Amino acid sequence: ETGVTQTPRHLVMGMTNKKSLKCEQHLGHNAMYWYKQSAKKPLELMFVYSLEERVENNSVPSRFSPECPNSSHLFLHLHTLQPEDSALYLCASSQGAGRRVSPLHFGNGTRLTVT
Amino acid sequence: AQSVTQLGSHVSVSEGALVLLRCNYSSSVPPYLFWYVQYPNQGLQLLLKYTTGATLVKGINGFEAEFKKSETSFHLTKPSAHMSDAAEYFCAVSDLRGYNKLIFGAGTRLAVHP
Repeated sequence: ETGVTQTPRHLVMGMTNKKSLKCEQHLGHNAMYWYKQSAKKPLELMFVYSLEERVENNSVPSRFSPECPNSSHLFLHLHTLQPEDSALYLCASSQGAGRRVSPLHFGNGTRLTVT
Repeated sequence: AQSVTQLGSHVSVSEGALVLLRCNYSSSVPPYLFWYVQYPNQGLQLLLKYTTGATLVKGINGFEAEFKKSETSFHLTKPSAHMSDAAEYFCAVSDLRGYNKLIFGAGTRLAVHP
């Protein structure tokens, strides 16, 4: 399998549930990203991991907790979410550093619905 | 801080007509610029990118874009629209700090009618 794979594709959870989103990249990249895509809003960068170290955390509520155990895997742990957290969550990866960095490659996303 | 403005959240064209999707950016450093396309229920796919060199860049599916520094623009064009081009298009600027932090525009939804 190639590219960036996200599971599950769809997730429905209650506000008291705990769930995790998984992302796996098969491209040999060294940076991974979580983006949130809500209706009628620009894509929002949530977290960036570069060389397995978190380098960006854009004021994301603590109910979202990322984990990057190695350069190929990225998780987003979810707990006590709110209905406004319903969105498409996109994972992406890239390779390189500085101005030699490659474009982002995106997965197909996880469509999250919080009830 | 970098930002991207896409003029027109919806654009509708006839099949065979010219496609023009507008993007303006602001950046304090020489930018990297990108266009991505998103089809329903899918992630974003890279159409084309500008890094350095030639200001007219060609991408997949017959799309191209021209970097105009004086106008801070990076508009996307295609001479002849096809029904399969119907999708949402995102312009993005990169803030290169060791990794590719993309700042996206709000997107333009392209409709193509017969």
